Amino acid sequence: GAVVSQHPSRVICKSGTSVKIECRSLDFQATTMFWYRQFPKQSLMLMATSNEGSKATYEQGVEKDKFLINHASLTLSTLTVTSAHPEDSSFYICSARDVRGGKNIQYFGAGTRLSVL
Amino acid sequence: GENVEQHPSTLSVQEGDSAVIKCTYSDSASNYFPWYKQELGKRPQLIIDIRSNVGEKKDQRIAVTLNKTAKHFSLHITETQPEDSAVYFCAASKGPPTDKLIFGTGTRLQVFP
Repeated sequence: GAVVSQHPSRVICKSGTSVKIECRSLDFQATTMFWYRQFPKQSLMLMATSNEGSKATYEQGVEKDKFLINHASLTLSTLTVTSAHPEDSSFYICSARDVRGGKNIQYFGAGTRLSVL
Repeated sequence: GENVEQHPSTLSVQEGDSAVIKCTYSDSASNYFPWYKQELGKRPQLIIDIRSNVGEKKDQRIAVTLNKTAKHFSLHITETQPEDSAVYFCAASKGPPTDKLIFGTGTRLQVFP
């Protein structure tokens, strides 16, 4: 399978600060990446679709000014949680879409555990 | 919008037994159905997938079946082993242009030695 790298794996920050999370496809180009949020013992909730060279598409109920997404290259998407608050504490996971050879599969990063104090 | 229901939420089996997890989707336009395995604190790993033009797919001890008419698909794991213990998620997608995956609620599988 393809390799998707996500950094950092763990962030602890003070309330009011901004946190940037990076998602990289290491061995393939990804025009589309996805950002999910996962609460303990729950499913993956899609937050937004990140499109290279264009604006991200946000799911209903997700604040685009709160969760800034930038997909400036074919191998990198970033999610910035602006002015983070304790309720933003969660596990954030990205995925990248691999379309090589006609397939269409999402591979996931290892996730970022965000704790806002 | 699309909704995916998954059952059971927890499943305990003895090593060597079979395990079956079932999912139902709401949008008949869905055409791609992957299954992911997620161990505690780890990333979801794709274990098998099926597209709507196929009714069944098998890969060693795991298989997936799809019933388009009933809009449900199932994961079958045979000869379970303790290392199969994890949370399993089904998902559904309508394909391009959005390609977004809608996940089920997950099944926590425990295989006892």
